[in-house]
Amino acid sequence: DTEVTQTPKHLVMGMTNKKSLKCEQHMGHRAMYWYKQKAKKPPELMFVYSYEKLSINESVPSRFSPECPNSSLLNLHLHALQPEDSALYLCASSQDWDRGRRVEKLFFGSGTQLSVL
Amino acid sequence: EDKVVQSPLSLVVHEGDTVTLNCSYEVTNFRSLLWYKQEKKAPTFLFMLTSSGIEKKSGRLSSILDKKELFSILNITATQTGDSAIYLCAVAGGGATNKLIFGTGTLLAVQP
Repeated sequence: DTEVTQTPKHLVMGMTNKKSLKCEQHMGHRAMYWYKQKAKKPPELMFVYSYEKLSINESVPSRFSPECPNSSLLNLHLHALQPEDSALYLCASSQDWDRGRRVEKLFFGSGTQLSVL
Repeated sequence: EDKVVQSPLSLVVHEGDTVTLNCSYEVTNFRSLLWYKQEKKAPTFLFMLTSSGIEKKSGRLSSILDKKELFSILNITATQTGDSAIYLCAVAGGGATNKLIFGTGTLLAVQP
């Protein structure tokens, strides 16, 4: 199984809603990532989890709250989002994540297309 | 500021043509350069390049890195309509953290 599975595929939410995005991988990877991709733009890193611990938060607003319940699962909790948060949210995983020594290729999920009204 | 620049932004070719996509970078603590193909949603991994001058090949696709001039090229020969996608270049590096910095991508359209 070389897949990263994301649910839901599409999500429409109001600015007062609370929702969660889910990501799952069964490749035994120990690092998981959230990226945000606006239309016609490259993916931008939001968070990195390594061994279930938050390793990088790229100054993401607190209305985005990541959670890594175990090494196979990664959630992104959304609350009080703004219309400008509408984007494709991509989850990725890699074998490992090392702050300085090794580069791992990322495996991406198909993303959740989020629209905030 | 770290940056990865791809050119051209978009390209339209006919089946059978050969294309060359460019990626230049200015990234602190460069570690590797990666190419991804993004069709519809999920980027899929193509190549990872760490050393200069060593060509990586996979079927009709090949790529090479020049660490002196800070660029990489991705070649696709005998293009097919299935090659239509956005091709993303990403550089691993960026200060004290090990993260991927993506370029804006090249949108390739292969017409029959």
